[in-house]
Amino acid sequence: AQKITQTQPGMFVQEKEAVTLDCTYDTSDPSYGLFWYKQPSSGEMIFLIYQGSYDQQNATEGRYSLNFQKARKSANLVISASQLGDSAMYFCAAASAGGGATNKLIFGTGTLLAVQP
Amino acid sequence: GAGVSQSPSNKVTEKGKDVELRCDPISGHTALYWYRQSLGQGLEFLIYFQGNSAPDKSGLPSDRFSAERTGGSVSTLTIQRTQQEDSAVYLCASSFSTQGDGYTFGSGTRLTVV
Repeated sequence: AQKITQTQPGMFVQEKEAVTLDCTYDTSDPSYGLFWYKQPSSGEMIFLIYQGSYDQQNATEGRYSLNFQKARKSANLVISASQLGDSAMYFCAAASAGGGATNKLIFGTGTLLAVQP
Repeated sequence: GAGVSQSPSNKVTEKGKDVELRCDPISGHTALYWYRQSLGQGLEFLIYFQGNSAPDKSGLPSDRFSAERTGGSVSTLTIQRTQQEDSAVYLCASSFSTQGDGYTFGSGTRLTVV
């Protein structure tokens, strides 16, 4: 079973600056995936980025990058050049990935990001 | 359909009544999940269906909560004798893979118990 910890309930960032959202995880699974989702005030869950536990390189998707430190069990999300539209709740999540079977996503409590002009 | 469909989008019910929430997953997705999100909180896992396997019910908060998935497709989450603390958004997701964007979420059902 996984446990996800997001220690920042809220963050502020100035527009155009970079921001790091913290996430640590605890799992005994040998193979797992780490995910970040964005949830704006509309409530939809928007997939941002994925990191597999055996991936050698940190994942990047446009302005999003995942700072994966396996030994520290951390998977921080970095958003570069923040935009006003980035203001939302951000969730870190994890799922087992063994044997090709699907498995439940377990979520952290989230970080509310506010981008200031 | 193109996405995960949930109905109703909003439900107001009186305390003590039973409610049924419906989820229609993406065709071909073998796994289906239910989550509960209370106001300003994270997503709490409730139950998980995978193909014909027995469901993982480890997240159901009480025996008032149950879910079924008929024919490996549509799922219904039932809450009996609703309480005010059941008020939340109930999100359904389906998936074909544990990687990347393999999970797709519905837009949720907002349940209000008065």
